[in-house]
Amino acid sequence: GAVVSQHPSRVICKSGTSVKIECRSLDFQATTMFWYRQFPKQSLMLMATSNEGSKATYEQGVEKDKFLINHASLTLSTLTVTSAHPEDSSFYICSARALGTPTYEQYFGPGTRLTVT
Amino acid sequence: DAKTTQPNSMESNEEEPVHLPCNHSTISGTDYIHWYRQLPSQGPEYVIHGLTSNVNNRMASLAIAEDRKSSTLILHRATLRDAAVYYCILRDVYSGGGADGLTFGKGTHLIIQP
Repeated sequence: GAVVSQHPSRVICKSGTSVKIECRSLDFQATTMFWYRQFPKQSLMLMATSNEGSKATYEQGVEKDKFLINHASLTLSTLTVTSAHPEDSSFYICSARALGTPTYEQYFGPGTRLTVT
Repeated sequence: DAKTTQPNSMESNEEEPVHLPCNHSTISGTDYIHWYRQLPSQGPEYVIHGLTSNVNNRMASLAIAEDRKSSTLILHRATLRDAAVYYCILRDVYSGGGADGLTFGKGTHLIIQP
């Protein structure tokens, strides 16, 4: 089956620094990748949608200059949290969809837990 | 996407069937009913989906009411590994060709007792 990986699985960083999270589709080409954020005891919230080779589309309220998304290849998307602050501490999850597959086939990564101190 | 309503939590015993309800009274004719689940500290995983007819796969069954205003996810024999948050999500069949991300509600926290 389709596998999506994320790296790192956990990261702790100091306030003001930037953190990059990678999302890879291991056995398929992902034309579209989605980034979600999940705060403790809350549901997932879509942050942005990225299509390979084009600019990401951000959901309302998500700062595009703070959460930089790059989808430079069909198997890799990165999310960079710039100038991270403690309120950015969250569980970040990506998902990917392959070209030509039904819309329900969205495969999720295992998530990255970010803690900003 | 139309809204869904699920109980906050449910509890069941291991090796017994579990019926997880979902109400979606404002469902449109082109909305598919999707179920995902999220195990603790993991990303969600697809469980099942359907439009009008009941559906079965290796993980679960989906029973859809005749008026499509509600559905039930059925785990035939729950194990401890089925303890998760289960999300019922409606997706328009024409939903941007999959260009849209999923809208997750609060889901149902399923607790399995040994």
